[in-house]
Amino acid sequence: KAGVTQTPRYLIKTRGQQVTLSCSPISGHRSVSWYQQTPGQGLQFLFEYFSETQRNKGNFPGRFSGRQFSNSRSEMNVSTLELGDSALYLCASSLEASGSEQFFGPGTRLTVL
Amino acid sequence: GENVEQHPSTLSVQEGDSAVIKCTYSDSASNYFPWYKQELGKRPQLIIDIRSNVGEKKDQRIAVTLNKTAKHFSLHITETQPEDSAVYFCAASTVGGGSNYKLTFGKGTLLTVNP
Repeated sequence: KAGVTQTPRYLIKTRGQQVTLSCSPISGHRSVSWYQQTPGQGLQFLFEYFSETQRNKGNFPGRFSGRQFSNSRSEMNVSTLELGDSALYLCASSLEASGSEQFFGPGTRLTVL
Repeated sequence: GENVEQHPSTLSVQEGDSAVIKCTYSDSASNYFPWYKQELGKRPQLIIDIRSNVGEKKDQRIAVTLNKTAKHFSLHITETQPEDSAVYFCAASTVGGGSNYKLTFGKGTLLTVNP
């Protein structure tokens, strides 16, 4: 099976712009979670989608949003980018939403100038 | 919400020695505790996990222990090798029973194994 894929792998944006990141889970996986990884804060949970529904959300401002499509692919959007949004954004998929192993994608490296 | 503290933030050992990384969690409802290894420039990968109905789990050179009363769990790596060098993350979550699946991670431990 193909692993979790994320596109694009690298992005450079300027403050105030918006960005959309994409995640394709492992075939058959219905749960997709998103994380922000920074050197100082580690891995921070953004949100989790299961069967097109957002089931859980972390402590991030409303500028961070996401969605999941019927084929389980997911996108996250960040509007009005700030310098502090520079990070590695990781998505992870799992078979179910109840404690099964999460498989991470390679991440999208976002740099905000 | 859940809060996970991880110590130490960096750990340097000699090849062949053991390494221990400790985590504490705050939410007594947490019942699933995975450990992830992230090599430089790569994605995190699950190396072992434990559920709250067991106190210890082993997989070759890796073991995890859980103390529910004290709300802490630890990763033990024996006979360390240079390829064990990576950042290790602990995490905690409440799973099952209709609860939502949200992993809360510790901030990571950079393990360096010196040849």
